[in-house]
Amino acid sequence: EPEVTQTPSHQVTQMGQEVILRCVPISNHLYFYWYRQILGQKVEFLVSFYNNEISEKSEIFDDQFSVERPDGSNFTLKIRSTKLEDSAMYFCASPKSGTDTQYFGPGTRLTVL
Amino acid sequence: DAKTTQPTSMDCAEGRAANLPCNHSTISGNEYVYWYRQIHSQGPQYIIHGLKNNETNEMASLIITEDRKSSTLILPHATLRDTAVYYCIVRVAGDDKIIFGKGTRLHILP
Repeated sequence: EPEVTQTPSHQVTQMGQEVILRCVPISNHLYFYWYRQILGQKVEFLVSFYNNEISEKSEIFDDQFSVERPDGSNFTLKIRSTKLEDSAMYFCASPKSGTDTQYFGPGTRLTVL
Repeated sequence: DAKTTQPTSMDCAEGRAANLPCNHSTISGNEYVYWYRQIHSQGPQYIIHGLKNNETNEMASLIITEDRKSSTLILPHATLRDTAVYYCIVRVAGDDKIIFGKGTRLHILP
């Protein structure tokens, strides 16, 4: 299966702090997606990003969230001022070249104290 | 909201075929049926997808009814490692997001 990687695997932060989650999608693909999963709940779509622009975002993706492509291969999800309810698993996903089937990374577990 | 209905949980004996049903009675003509699974807090893993023909790959088979209102994912010889939550998703090809439901929690029994 094509590999999407994410770092860190686990991030612990204090409420109000900024966090940056990183994703390296499948090579040479312009699309990537972020999802989150609060413990015990469904996987929820956050945002899709295509060719350096947000393509679609959900209601969850408010002004505290931002996505960037700081270089040619990495994508980031930034939460400016974390809240307790931001504690969740965050997954990025990327299609394999020539398809629109999304492949997910292993996730980052964010814990906000 | 998810456009599919799945049983909350199922059990299957190790070595037997696991048959996971999914109802998608409002599926549109341009929507595909996708299956993913999630093993204990890992990232969702793609299994298979299809439009109207039955599909088979190294992981599973997908049987879609002729009216496309339901489908069945078949794991031919279930192992303990197949214990996971299985998600049935309908999605337009090329559409951005995946909308996950609650899925079916499959327990493989030794």
